[in-house]
Amino acid sequence: AQSVSQHNHHVILSEAASLELGCNYSYGGTVNLFWYVQYPGQHLQLLLKYFSGDPLVKGIKGFEAEFIKSKFSFNLRKPSVQWSDTAEYFCAVNAAYGGATNKLIFGTGTLLAVQP
Amino acid sequence: DGGITQSPKYLFRKEGQNVTLSCEQNLNHDAMYWYRQDPGQGLRLIYYSQIVNDFQKGDIAEGYSVSREKKESFPLTVTSAQKNPTAFYLCASSSGLVETEAFFGQGTRLTVV
Repeated sequence: AQSVSQHNHHVILSEAASLELGCNYSYGGTVNLFWYVQYPGQHLQLLLKYFSGDPLVKGIKGFEAEFIKSKFSFNLRKPSVQWSDTAEYFCAVNAAYGGATNKLIFGTGTLLAVQP
Repeated sequence: DGGITQSPKYLFRKEGQNVTLSCEQNLNHDAMYWYRQDPGQGLRLIYYSQIVNDFQKGDIAEGYSVSREKKESFPLTVTSAQKNPTAFYLCASSSGLVETEAFFGQGTRLTVV
């Protein structure tokens, strides 16, 4: 069965520190990968996505993620975080074929707190 | 203004009662989803629908039911069989192409007393 795991549940960083949030998925077929963010009191919104091509994808607000197929990973990175990046981050995977098409599965989320 | 509307924002029900959460979208999306969000557990998929008049169980469908009679609407009923219904419920939709992202509503917080 398709699943997504996020290794860090809570991360606390100081402003200007670098960020890397881990995401691994278990699905052998073609997948589409997403990172979503939920700022306090706001809707979930898309940060970035990967579906083909360059495995290094860039998203909004200086975030990027690298798809490493051999490791089934899609880690999120940002070189220098800001206080406004305080939010909960979710990795998600969508299968590309078969009965599981469009079964969009999320990880457990990582709560990031950035201290000024 | 295009988007997904969930109503109500807060809902209180007595134990043993069924309750229906509304989700409407005007994005002309084919696919719609219901998730349950609990602290530390992320978003867990309850039901999803790829097209009108069709839906599939997600990972935690027990105690829930849905219908998809219209493209724009995907109501979720939380039945009395759901053992722990108090939670935050999120509805989402997408175009139906697997590489496109889902858009989310503001959520409904259901409290069963």
